[in-house]
Parts: sequence; structure tokens; C-alpha cells
Amino acid sequence: NAGVTQTPKFQVLKTGQSMTLQCAQDMNHEYMSWYRQDPGMGLRLIHYSVGAGITDQGEVPNGYNVSRSTTEDFPLRLLSAAPSQTSVYFCASSEAGRRNTEAFFGQGTRLTVV
Amino acid sequence: AQSVSQHNHHVILSEAASLELGCNYSYGGTVNLFWYVQYPGQHLQLLLKYFSGDPLVKGIKGFEAEFIKSKFSFNLRKPSVQWSDTAEYFCAVKGGSWGKLQFGAGTQVVVTP
Repeated sequence: NAGVTQTPKFQVLKTGQSMTLQCAQDMNHEYMSWYRQDPGMGLRLIHYSVGAGITDQGEVPNGYNVSRSTTEDFPLRLLSAAPSQTSVYFCASSEAGRRNTEAFFGQGTRLTVV
Repeated sequence: AQSVSQHNHHVILSEAASLELGCNYSYGGTVNLFWYVQYPGQHLQLLLKYFSGDPLVKGIKGFEAEFIKSKFSFNLRKPSVQWSDTAEYFCAVKGGSWGKLQFGAGTQVVVTP
């Protein structure tokens, strides 16, 4: 019972490099989202998706790109990494965005941009 | 837009002391409320949740929380903490746009032996 799986767990990038953080869930959840966690700021929503082919911006979308070609996968792309993107990234999924459902989180990806 | 405020950023306690963490939110409509815990180096785990009904909810590891609608609050409590409760605690609210979770800034709790 995998739940939400994120890869990689750790990554170091140089400024300007691009990379993709992977997220997959096996619970057939329609709603998936990406958060970044920074000290003293809690978790902030980057992008979210309410189903395959549908994505939208969250609170801090700049510098990130997403797509949702399948229900299971929701990758997050950093187009040109910047030191300000050093953070811990969490992917989450839940049943279709409605009340009385809880979100399930992946293990996180710790990203350092130098 | 909804917001979530956690009253304390850092709390240091001795084992067996009681813990109460404050959480207030701004959304005026129906909400779902959550407390998550993040142990050092680990991912977020759900401690407890409130959807409806009894405003006093019990979660895992002896934690409980009380929803007070008139005060827009959802405070977390534990009568007697253990060293293993050292973690960061996040309050989160979902309302209106039912997919989105809004998190508080988190409270770092350190329990000393």
C-alpha cells in the first residue's frame, strides 16, 4: 500500500539547472497538489490539479511548471533553478476536492540549489 | 481568502507537562480542520481532523482538539507530553475551495527529559 510516492528524496542543483520532481499516488485520487515548506512559513501551495488534464496555480507558482497526463502522476518541473527554490517539497493527494476528505502526503524532497 | 494563524512558533516543555497549541482561522463558512505532525526528518502525518459533529475530537497518541466555532479556533491539547512528542505541529484548514488546504506557519515543540 504505497500511498503517495515522491522521488528523489534529496537533490542538489546548480543555479540555472532544470529538473523534475516526481509524484505518484495509487489511491485513484483526483486531487493532487504540490507544497513547499520553508522555516517559519508552514506549507505553501505551488500548483494543484483536480484531475487529469486540469491544473491551476496556487500561492507560489512562479518558477514551477506542472502537468497531469494521468490520474496517478503529478510531476513538478523547475525550469531554471534558483537559490530561492531551496526548500522541502511535498506532494499530496485527496479525493476530488470536496469537504470531509483528508490529504495524504508523500515523504518529501529536500532540494538545495547552489 | 482564508488564513490560518498559529499562536506560538516555539514551545519548550518538560516531560509530563501539559501542552496546548493555539490555532485560529479566518474563513467564515463551513470548514474542515486538521492538525498534522512532522517528526524530525519525516513527512507530515495526520494527528486528528474535524469535519462535523462533536467539537471535541480525539486523535492519535493521546492528542485532542476542540473546535470553537464562535472563536474560529481549533486548539490542540495533550495532558502529559513525552520526549517522543518533540516535533513540528501544523494546523490546516479547508473551506470554500474544498481541495485546497491552508496551513499555519507551524509550531516547533521540544520536550526535554
